Amino acid sequence: DQQVKQNSPSLSVQEGRISILNCDYTNSMFDYFLWYKKYPAEGPTFLISISSIKDKNEDGRFTVFLNKSAKHLSLHIVPSQPGDSAVYFCAASLYGGATNKLIFGTGTLLAVQP
Amino acid sequence: DGGITQSPKYLFRKEGQNVTLSCEQNLNHDAMYWYRQDPGQGLRLIYYSQIVNDFQKGDIAEGYSVSREKKESFPLTVTSAQKNPTAFYLCASTLQGGTRRTGELFFGEGSRLTVL
Repeated sequence: DQQVKQNSPSLSVQEGRISILNCDYTNSMFDYFLWYKKYPAEGPTFLISISSIKDKNEDGRFTVFLNKSAKHLSLHIVPSQPGDSAVYFCAASLYGGATNKLIFGTGTLLAVQP
Repeated sequence: DGGITQSPKYLFRKEGQNVTLSCEQNLNHDAMYWYRQDPGQGLRLIYYSQIVNDFQKGDIAEGYSVSREKKESFPLTVTSAQKNPTAFYLCASTLQGGTRRTGELFFGEGSRLTVL
């Protein structure tokens, strides 16, 4: 059972426009959400995160929005750049003691066209 | 520079052979993790370890084994019991403990295993 879902396997955007990547989750106990970026044949790198007590977190061109009632989060990239072309994973975490276990979505391949 | 080193980057194995993937970190992180990536399935947790000499099964531990004899090292053995071992394997680590919450995993560059 997929607790974290990214329903769009791919997204194509023109350079300079906004990219919006979506993620849905089913477990209301998740309290921390993260986005990772991954290039082919490399490990994912952390991009941005948000705690469940917030509804927005911004870092430069990247903004993550959290809608707890809809169990939905989204990553906005504006303006999009060709170097943003990668697979983006959203991940969710349950805080239980000292365990920091992330559950990942299936990823969305973003292609930014020059 | 601090980081996580996985080796080898590419590995070929014949059916029926065990193979061990290396993961070393010099970030002084407490916890280490092994994930597997398959097309269309995201990252799935195989094993994780919060402290030396202790580790826990993840969601898909069958056919795998690990050890954590040193804080810096968390090797993964893919045994012949793993039915579909061809995949991209990722090792990760993080600081954790008590009420401190980082949330962020640091990943190695991955090891691609192909069974011939």
